[in-house]
This record gives sequence, C-alpha cells and structure tokens, in this order.
Amino acid sequence: DQQVKQNSPSLSVQEGRISILNCDYTNSMFDYFLWYKKYPAEGPTFLISISSIKDKNEDGRFTVFLNKSAKHLSLHIVPSQPGDSAVYFCAASASHSGYALNFGKGTSLLVTP
Amino acid sequence: NAGVTQTPKFRVLKTGQSMTLLCAQDMNHEYMYWYRQDPGMGLRLIHYSVGEGTTAKGEVPDGYNVSRLKKQNFLLGLESAAPSQTSVYFCASSYSRASGSTDTQYFGPGTRLTVL
Repeated sequence: DQQVKQNSPSLSVQEGRISILNCDYTNSMFDYFLWYKKYPAEGPTFLISISSIKDKNEDGRFTVFLNKSAKHLSLHIVPSQPGDSAVYFCAASASHSGYALNFGKGTSLLVTP
Repeated sequence: NAGVTQTPKFRVLKTGQSMTLLCAQDMNHEYMYWYRQDPGMGLRLIHYSVGEGTTAKGEVPDGYNVSRLKKQNFLLGLESAAPSQTSVYFCASSYSRASGSTDTQYFGPGTRLTVL
C-alpha cells in the first residue's frame, strides 16, 4: 500500500523554465517531508525538506510547498538547468512510527537546453 | 569525510549462495538503515538500527539479517540468495531524534546485486 505517491513518472522542461514535481500522501500522521535527487548509479542525495508546521521552505532555486489539507506537496525548481536532470523522490516520515522514510516511486526530470 | 560508503559496488551470486554487504559511515550517526530499490519502485526499508547492538525489521525484512556491532558499521546478510533479491541496495544513516535532529537520511552509493 503506497502511502506516498508520485503520479508523474516523467517530466520534460526547457532550460530556464520552472519545473514542478508533485507528490501526494495518504497518511495524515506524516509530519516531515523530504525531496531526494538521484543520478544513475549513485545514491539518493538530500535536496530539501519541510516540517508539517510550515507550508513553504526555500533553498536557492528549490522551493517545497506543503498543503496539509490536500495531503499534497510540490517541489519547484526555478530556473531549471540541464544539471537538474535526474530522478526525484518524495519521502515522508511520521514521529510516532519510528524511523522509516516512506518513498514515492520517483519522477524522472529531463531539462532540455 | 567520506560520508556513507558501501562495499562491494557490484556482485553476482548464484541461487543459494550467501554474502554480506558492508555499510560504513563516518558522521557519528546513531541511526542506520538498509533499503532496496527495484525498477519502477521507490526505496523500501529492509532493516534499520537505532544504535550499536540494536536492529529492527523494516517493511521487507524476509531473507535478510543485519548486525550493528560497531556504531559506524551496519552489515546486511543474505543467508541463501534468491533471484527475487536481485536489486540495488542502499545504506543510509542519520542523527537520532533524541538529539533534536530531523529525519534527514544520508545515503551511500549503492550495491547492485544480481542473483542468478
């Protein structure tokens, strides 16, 4: 039972434009959300996170938005660069359930010149 | 500061063989984790450890065993490998919640295992 869902397997965006990656979750107990970036043959790299007490967190070109009522979060990349081409995983955790991160299946982002 | 390292990077086993994957971290993290990633899937937690000498089961623990004899190392064992265990295995580590830290986990580069 997938508790974190990334419904778009892939996304293609032109360089310089905005990339928006979406993530939905079903467990209302999740209180911490993360985005990881993964290149082929490498491990996931932490990108940005947000606590459930916030609705927005920004770090340079990356912004994560959280809509708790809709159980939805999104990652905005502005402006997109070719080096951003990778698979992006959304993950979530709940304080009461210990230590596991629940991952979505990932969205493959391609930024074209 | 190497972060999280994994040994080996690649391995091919025959059904029924055994092997151990080694994970090491130099960040003094309390928590360590083993995940597997299959094509078209997110990462799924196999086992985790909240401190030296402790281990616990994750979402998909069957067919695997783990040990955490030293704080910096976390071993994943396959006693009798099966083709269903063909996957990419990732190790991760993080600080403890007790330290007031968040759930950010840092991952190793992965081990690609094929079981024939």
